[in-house]
Amino acid sequence: GAVVSQHPSRVICKSGTSVKIECRSLDFQATTMFWYRQFPKKSLMLMATSNEGSKATYEQGVEKDKFLINHASLTLSTLTVTSAHPEDSSFYICSARHNQATGYTFGSGTRLTVV
Amino acid sequence: GENVEQHPSTLSVQEGDSAVIKCTYSDSASNYFPWYKQELGKGPQLIIDIRSNVGEKKDQRIAVTLNKTAKHFSLHITETQPEDSAVYFCAASKAGGSYIPTFGRGTSLIVHP
Repeated sequence: GAVVSQHPSRVICKSGTSVKIECRSLDFQATTMFWYRQFPKKSLMLMATSNEGSKATYEQGVEKDKFLINHASLTLSTLTVTSAHPEDSSFYICSARHNQATGYTFGSGTRLTVV
Repeated sequence: GENVEQHPSTLSVQEGDSAVIKCTYSDSASNYFPWYKQELGKGPQLIIDIRSNVGEKKDQRIAVTLNKTAKHFSLHITETQPEDSAVYFCAASKAGGSYIPTFGRGTSLIVHP
């Protein structure tokens, strides 16, 4: 149980375009999901908390207009990287927690490359 | 806020040897400590966890110990195998923080055949 699916696993886009990443909880409902960014050989950096039916909460230093988060249902959160630039290239990971569990389950990650 | 320190950053062992990764945390209210394994190009996977009311937990070749007084916890992997090669992250969390994990910086474990 507690499976989190993330799609796509890899995406290459041109500078200036927008990219949407999906995160789904497959076998449970998640009122809250989290989005992380990970640089090579670095730890996970929490970007934002996605709240179902309300605005996302962004960590300090994360541009909310650059990284748009939508959590329209109890099983789906999306992260849209708008007007992407090469410096946005990174590994993005989502996570969620089953309400009967303590630990968080992570998606498989999305490797974004902006060219 | 919580601060988690993890050492070493890189650990290289021979197949069959044991590996130990150590973490310390700062927030005495933290009461849940998960360990994640991240393989290249994948998301982290929970491999074992421990709560503050337990001093040690074991699952086959992996074990975790917790010293709440000293605020440190460790991951022990015995009889390492090449497939154990990955990056391991420790984390600390608490109920008041919805168990949102604060991660250590990670340890790259390399098991040589």
